[in-house]
Amino acid sequence: QQQVKQSPQSLIVQKGGISIINCAYENTAFDYFPWYQQFPGKGPALLIAIRPDVSEKKEGRFTISFNKSAKQFSLHIMDSQPGDSATYFCAAGAGSYQLTFGKGTKLSVIP
Amino acid sequence: GAGVSQSPRYKVAKRGQDVALRCDPISGHVSLFWYQQALGQGPEFLTYFQNEAQLDKSGLPSDRFFAERPEGSVSTLKIQRTQQEDSAVYLCASSSRGHAPGELFFGEGSRLTVL
Repeated sequence: QQQVKQSPQSLIVQKGGISIINCAYENTAFDYFPWYQQFPGKGPALLIAIRPDVSEKKEGRFTISFNKSAKQFSLHIMDSQPGDSATYFCAAGAGSYQLTFGKGTKLSVIP
Repeated sequence: GAGVSQSPRYKVAKRGQDVALRCDPISGHVSLFWYQQALGQGPEFLTYFQNEAQLDKSGLPSDRFFAERPEGSVSTLKIQRTQQEDSAVYLCASSSRGHAPGELFFGEGSRLTVL
């Protein structure tokens, strides 16, 4: 049972464009929603996270939008840069430190 | 060290061999996690330690998988009688109470290939 569904699987965006990655979850006990960025050969690194009591969180060019009623959340990358090319994972956690990850989105930003 | 250190980075094993993967967490981090990442997939939870206590091992796929953290610092993930389906990157992550839940610091992983 896949508890966190992520789309699209891959994404190609031109430099300066907006990258949008979507996730949906099923378990209403989830109370923490981080996004991780992973470069080839490296471990995932925390990018930004949100709790369900807010609908949006922005950090620099990265914004999480959260829709609790729809059980969906998304990552927006504004002014996408070639250095943003990586695989992005949404995740969800419930109380404990255990995270359930989506399957990932491979983002390619082309010049 | 500055980050989570894992060794070996790459391991090739013949089917049926036993392997041991080591994780050195960030100093002072109480929580330690092991995740398995298959090619093109997201990390999947294997097990969780708080200090030396293994509080959750619900993600271990079979009794061939065993993890320990005897002194509450370094951890070892052992896989006995390896099978081809065990081929994956094994990620270790650590965290502390000072961080938000879900804020994990991952190592670069140990890539296991079983022939």
